[in-house]
Amino acid sequence: DADVTQTPRNRITKTGKRIMLECSQTKGHDRMYWYRQDPGLGLRLIYYSFDVKDINKGEISDGYSVSRQAQAKFSLSLESAIPNQTALYFCATSDPGQGAGGANVLTFGAGSRLTVL
Amino acid sequence: DQQVKQNSPSLSVQEGRISILNCDYTNSMFDYFLWYKKYPAEGPTFLISISSIKDKNEDGRFTVFLNKSAKHLSLHIVPSQPGDSAVYFCAASSTFTRNAGKSTFGDGTTLTVKP
Repeated sequence: DADVTQTPRNRITKTGKRIMLECSQTKGHDRMYWYRQDPGLGLRLIYYSFDVKDINKGEISDGYSVSRQAQAKFSLSLESAIPNQTALYFCATSDPGQGAGGANVLTFGAGSRLTVL
Repeated sequence: DQQVKQNSPSLSVQEGRISILNCDYTNSMFDYFLWYKKYPAEGPTFLISISSIKDKNEDGRFTVFLNKSAKHLSLHIVPSQPGDSAVYFCAASSTFTRNAGKSTFGDGTTLTVKP
């Protein structure tokens, strides 16, 4: 099994629908993140959580919400999906104490491709 | 304002030659820089990192160079192999800010290594 599992891998939905993307990890990491990637662009941070009781907005949190159900689970919700939320979404985890030379190395899931019509 | 920039969207090199991928940053508070590699239909995977107190870090065929005064880093791949063909993301983070641990990514460079 993958260290970071995202479901669903692909989803097509309609404008106005509520969508939840789920992420679970077996790394035992406290830190979890949701990133969004648009074509030709880098990864932009939506939300991040440094432990179960700590949730923070990233640079593009408008229109999204998250829930940290347990150390291993971090879900991303779109309450009312709109077409410009069509993108590839990545969940990631990290443990700075295990990073290369102190770097905060991220372990990513395989991504969830969301299309909003 | 994009704090991490990869100005070359794509790079094509011949197998066996050197690949040089570049990255510029603007935030002086960044103290760690990482490179990730991404294949289609997969998530990015960590490749190599460097601390701001160093100017070079090497791991096999991959070497990252950091020029703090120029706020520039580069990833060298020698020799390049067809399996290196992927999108490479530069990322930076700071341990000094309130939200330490957040990573800021560049837009990526698509490397194609031709046999």
